[in-house]
Amino acid sequence: KAGVTQTPRYLIKTRGQQVTLSCSPISGHRSVSWYQQTPGQGLQFLFEYFSETQRNKGNFPGRFSGRQFSNSRSEMNVSTLELGDSALYLCASSPAVAGELFFGEGSRLTVL
Amino acid sequence: AQSVTQPDIHITVSEGASLELRCNYSYGATPYLFWYVQSPGQGLQLLLKYFSGDTLVQGIKGFEAEFKRSQSSFNLRKPSVHWSDAAEYFCAVVLDNDMRFGAGTRLTVKP
Repeated sequence: KAGVTQTPRYLIKTRGQQVTLSCSPISGHRSVSWYQQTPGQGLQFLFEYFSETQRNKGNFPGRFSGRQFSNSRSEMNVSTLELGDSALYLCASSPAVAGELFFGEGSRLTVL
Repeated sequence: AQSVTQPDIHITVSEGASLELRCNYSYGATPYLFWYVQSPGQGLQLLLKYFSGDTLVQGIKGFEAEFKRSQSSFNLRKPSVHWSDAAEYFCAVVLDNDMRFGAGTRLTVKP
């Protein structure tokens, strides 16, 4: 079974731009969660989607948004990028809500 | 407030020595408990989990963890560390569909 796939793996943007990250969950998993990981803040929860509905949202500004499609694939978007948005963005899928998470390798975003 | 704490930011052990990584949680009820490992540049991989039942849980790569309700702890152990165990380890808890991660413990293994 293929694991969680995140694209792109690496990207560089400049301040003010926007970025879209993609996540393909493990086949059959309907829950997708997103996390931001930085050296200073650790792992911070962004949001969770289940069957195309956002179930839970972390404490991030409205510049961070996401969605889930009918095939469970998910995207997250960050608009008006700031330097502090530089981070590793991790996607995780789960067969159930708040169950065991299976992580992708992440998308490393650098904002210049 | 609900929280999960990993008191040790960085631990160094010699190869072949035993290891214990600490995790404490602050919740009114017993949450589901997990340990994940992250190698450099990689995502997180589940080592083991506790939902209920036997309080000593066996995981992958020779790791085990013991749930102690009285201490609100779920410490990770390994009897003999290998150089490939060098990584960052995260404790995580789930209660009421809310998953939270500890800050992580970075493990360095000395030859």
